[in-house]
Amino acid sequence: EDKVVQSPLSLVVHEGDTVTLNCSYEVTNFRSLLWYKQEKKAPTFLFMLTSSGIEKKSGRLSSILDKKELFSILNITATQTGDSAVYLCAVNSGGSNYKLTFGKGTLLTVNP
Amino acid sequence: GAVVSQHPSWVICKSGTSVKIECRSLDFQATTMFWYRQFPKQSLMLMATSNEGSKATYEQGVEKDKFLINHASLTLSTLTVTSAHPEDSSFYICSAPSWANYGYTFGSGTRLTVV
Repeated sequence: EDKVVQSPLSLVVHEGDTVTLNCSYEVTNFRSLLWYKQEKKAPTFLFMLTSSGIEKKSGRLSSILDKKELFSILNITATQTGDSAVYLCAVNSGGSNYKLTFGKGTLLTVNP
Repeated sequence: GAVVSQHPSWVICKSGTSVKIECRSLDFQATTMFWYRQFPKQSLMLMATSNEGSKATYEQGVEKDKFLINHASLTLSTLTVTSAHPEDSSFYICSAPSWANYGYTFGSGTRLTVV
């Protein structure tokens, strides 16, 4: 059975801090790893990673994948209160139907 | 582009009644739709995969007679929660593989409260 494990499950920081969120996975046929931000409603896409060692960056957020050690990290620098959300990691383990397996998520709270 | 419209966004129903949730792809054809359930402070759990014109595939532990899925056209998939119980109260989200959004387009979700 495919597994995606995120840590920590929750994190409280102050504005301006830098955070690192972790995601490890065990899947039978890895295709891609995706990061999402979820506030009240549906997840919002952040990054998709398919190759090891190539950092994806978007503003203060960045992410990298290690396919040898089977994990990914999501970094957020200079956090703001608007970054408070649940961050979800998901893995597409191949097959014809693009099924995603989600981790439990990391609840990030950024205090002013 | 690649929008999935999900309705209703929230619904309150009485125990024992049925509730239908619709997901409609607006500008692309969704031959497959994934239905997820999310309990408070938990992750998205895949319930079932619907395929246009054929029976849905349910994940282990999901009752197919309780959660009826219909995918009658290339743009519409529905989830009906039958004989709803308070423990069915949850957030339900659909997602379709698409050419945009790096392969997945999510609906906006439906918050179901059964009283």
